[in-house]
Amino acid sequence: ETGVTQTPRHLVMGMTNKKSLKCEQHLGHNAMYWYKQSAKKPLELMFVYNFKEQTENNSVPSRFSPECPNSSHLFLHLHTLQPEDSALYLCASSPAVTDGVLYEQYFGPGTRLTVT
Amino acid sequence: DAKTTQPTSMDCAEGRAANLPCNHSTISGNEYVYWYRQIHSQGPQYIIHGLKNNETNEMASLIITEDRKSSTLILPHATLRDTAVYYCIVRVGETSGSRLTFGEGTQLTVNP
Repeated sequence: ETGVTQTPRHLVMGMTNKKSLKCEQHLGHNAMYWYKQSAKKPLELMFVYNFKEQTENNSVPSRFSPECPNSSHLFLHLHTLQPEDSALYLCASSPAVTDGVLYEQYFGPGTRLTVT
Repeated sequence: DAKTTQPTSMDCAEGRAANLPCNHSTISGNEYVYWYRQIHSQGPQYIIHGLKNNETNEMASLIITEDRKSSTLILPHATLRDTAVYYCIVRVGETSGSRLTFGEGTQLTVNP
């Protein structure tokens, strides 16, 4: 138990569906992240939020839309996905994103997404 | 961030020390060495990090060579639950600390 929870743990959706992934952290952190882990590929950073503000978008297609209403919650809204978007989506948090300071990141268990 | 090279897989007997190497020959003076691991079907877990000196915590020890071009993660008494993919990552310490760039990692299998 890392203090970062993700729901749902598994999701199957069609290409025309709209769904959302939810992440919640109970660590009092101020930075949250979305990562994508595809089969046989390294973990890829998607988005970074620091104090509810998006600070990094790693060239992610617009069919993925993040939302951070407060420092404890992070959502990833999905629409018109492609089969190649099937992957494990991981959420992480850290105390903050601060220049010159490195914090370890705490990961949730992930959502296994299958796009049919 | 500097690129890292790790063996694809390693085996270790339960109860023995597991020594996982990592090469980072292009590491810069302001880059830290981080280790994470990912047990199957779970999110990555932070293990340890260091800059120049050797480090130890309750999970592992990190040995960094004097020239900082390589490091070794040591699990002193490996258990079956230590079976996981281990990632060696180098991160810049003087810019935004957000980015973790994961490579392929080493699949460590601890055998009974």
